[in-house]
Amino acid sequence: EAQVTQNPRYLITVTGKKLTVTCSQNMNHEYMSWYRQDPGLGLRQIYYSMNVEVTDKGDVPEGYKVSRKEKRNFPLILESPSPNQTSLYFCASSTSGTPSYGYTFGSGTRLTVV
Amino acid sequence: SQQGEEDPQALSIQEGENATMNCSYKTSINNLQWYRQNSGRGLVHLILIRSNEREKHSGRLRVTLDTSKKSSSLLITASRAADTASYFCATMDSSYKLIFGSGTRLLVRP
Repeated sequence: EAQVTQNPRYLITVTGKKLTVTCSQNMNHEYMSWYRQDPGLGLRQIYYSMNVEVTDKGDVPEGYKVSRKEKRNFPLILESPSPNQTSLYFCASSTSGTPSYGYTFGSGTRLTVV
Repeated sequence: SQQGEEDPQALSIQEGENATMNCSYKTSINNLQWYRQNSGRGLVHLILIRSNEREKHSGRLRVTLDTSKKSSSLLITASRAADTASYFCATMDSSYKLIFGSGTRLLVRP
């Protein structure tokens, strides 16, 4: 089944403790992206990647890192999480080079930083 | 940053009725897409309309796009309780970035 898989689904952590949220897709998509969803602020893009080894900042990149060493994986790294990074996170992928297709989203990771 | 607003913010209808949601955006677009999100879950792509198209159909969904007014509408015909969800429009710019609207919460009462 074509899908984007995020792990973990839920995570509670403490301020300052580094964490990684994994994202993997099995559709051979070039384009991958991370969004966070917050009440009243909607979905905002954190980082995106057009292809392997190509990443760029979205609208709210502060406090996050990403890497794209393989086409299928696009992990989101929080080096020193803070409470304002408590949010619902989504990874998404799409074919790039053509604007004709929608994104496929993962099921989300609900992160709480205390 | 959010591209624009969706209207209404919330909509409650009876099963079998039609639901119409509107979306406005601010900048020029490559395409406009609609997504559905069940509570706390991932977004599901519903339909995409290109900037040179005016109307598109998919099953019970009908999308219109008016680029002169920078607006789009999503019509769900013969709604079902299972259509209860939040619906988001999203515009794609030339760098393939999707910018989402604020969403419409649809409740379909059995």
